Amino acid sequence: GENVEQHPSTLSVQEGDSAVIKCTYSDSASNYFPWYKQELGKRPQLIIDIRSNVGEKKDQRIAVTLNKTAKHFSLHITETQPEDSAVYFCAASAAKGGANNLFFGTGTRLTVIP
Amino acid sequence: GAVVSQHPSRVICKSGTSVKIECRSLDFQATTMFWYRQFPKQSLMLMATSNEGSKATYEQGVEKDKFLINHASLTLSTLTVTSAHPEDSSFYICSARGAGYQETQYFGPGTRLLVL
Repeated sequence: GENVEQHPSTLSVQEGDSAVIKCTYSDSASNYFPWYKQELGKRPQLIIDIRSNVGEKKDQRIAVTLNKTAKHFSLHITETQPEDSAVYFCAASAAKGGANNLFFGTGTRLTVIP
Repeated sequence: GAVVSQHPSRVICKSGTSVKIECRSLDFQATTMFWYRQFPKQSLMLMATSNEGSKATYEQGVEKDKFLINHASLTLSTLTVTSAHPEDSSFYICSARGAGYQETQYFGPGTRLLVL
């Protein structure tokens, strides 16, 4: 099955700096890669996703890049703000018989220091 | 759009009792619902996948007789933790995916279960 690895597990940045979180996946059939933000005790919120037919996607301060050959994808947050502090999860999914199960990384706890 | 609710938000029960958790898609029809378990400071672990009107598919290591899943309609799935024990204490989160949302899953707010 799919194995998603995520690094780093914790990340602290100064407000205004950029943050980068990296994930790798094992199943070459994976074609959908969402990123979720989870604040303490709350539900994961989809912040951005990318499909395998594109290499990069941007939404304001958030961008995601995908390298299918190397099987890795990254989340980039620019001009970080204290409200960006949360746990971020990457995930990968492959359409197999309609299942489309998401396999999650282990999470990155991002702390933005004011 | 794509709102998923979950009830109750937290529950405390005695060991040996059963607890039912509801997951509802409020503004779309969820063809597939997923149940996850999350321990403190850990990732989401998929427990089972359910499609409306059919039996749930459980992940390896998840006891189907202990975690009963029913997906009776396109807007409601339930998870019943039977004969709960303290080790079942966890954060249970459902997610839902509609036919028009491709692979995107939208999560409920979660249910914190504490078994005494």
